[in-house]
Amino acid sequence: DTEVTQTPKHLVMGMTNKKSLKCEQHMGHRAMYWYKQKAKKPPELMFVYSYEKLSINESVPSRFSPECPNSSLLNLHLHALQPEDSALYLCASSQQGVYGYTFGSGTRLTVV
Amino acid sequence: DQQVKQNSPSLSVQEGRISILNCDYTNSMFDYFLWYKKYPAEGPTFLISISSIKDKNEDGRFTVFLNKSAKHLSLHIVPSQPGDSAVYFCAAVAGNMLTFGGGTRLMVKP
Repeated sequence: DTEVTQTPKHLVMGMTNKKSLKCEQHMGHRAMYWYKQKAKKPPELMFVYSYEKLSINESVPSRFSPECPNSSLLNLHLHALQPEDSALYLCASSQQGVYGYTFGSGTRLTVV
Repeated sequence: DQQVKQNSPSLSVQEGRISILNCDYTNSMFDYFLWYKKYPAEGPTFLISISSIKDKNEDGRFTVFLNKSAKHLSLHIVPSQPGDSAVYFCAAVAGNMLTFGGGTRLMVKP
């Protein structure tokens, strides 16, 4: 298995909703990442987990809450989002450093 | 301050010809570089990479050149095919952090 799987592929949520994005990989990668990508822009790093511990938080608002239950799973919990948070949310994983850096296909999030 | 720049937002090339996508960087700590291809609403797909100790890496139709003294890398696609039409991002690595360029939209015309 050489993929990073993200679910759901599409999500529409209201500003008062609570939802979660899920990411899974079975490549034995020990680093996992969340990125946010707006249209016509490069991916922007949000969080980095290394060996299941949060190692980098790029000053992301607290309405985004990451969780790494185990070495294969990465969640992003969403609460009280704003319409400007609508974007493509990408998960990635890698071995040590950036060896094997692989992206999932993303979750298209729309906040209404 | 953009540490990785792709100065051409778009590039149009005829099928069968060479596509050359350029990328410049400013941070001397970058030691590894990657190129990704991205279709709309999909995640980036890894294409090719190069370590800072090399100046060229080739994989099929794709070749990446690195000029470390100029802090410049380029991706050559030969021959270009209509299926290559996508947005291409270069990314530079320091530690396990990727820094992306702004992307170049490549259009290959039949």
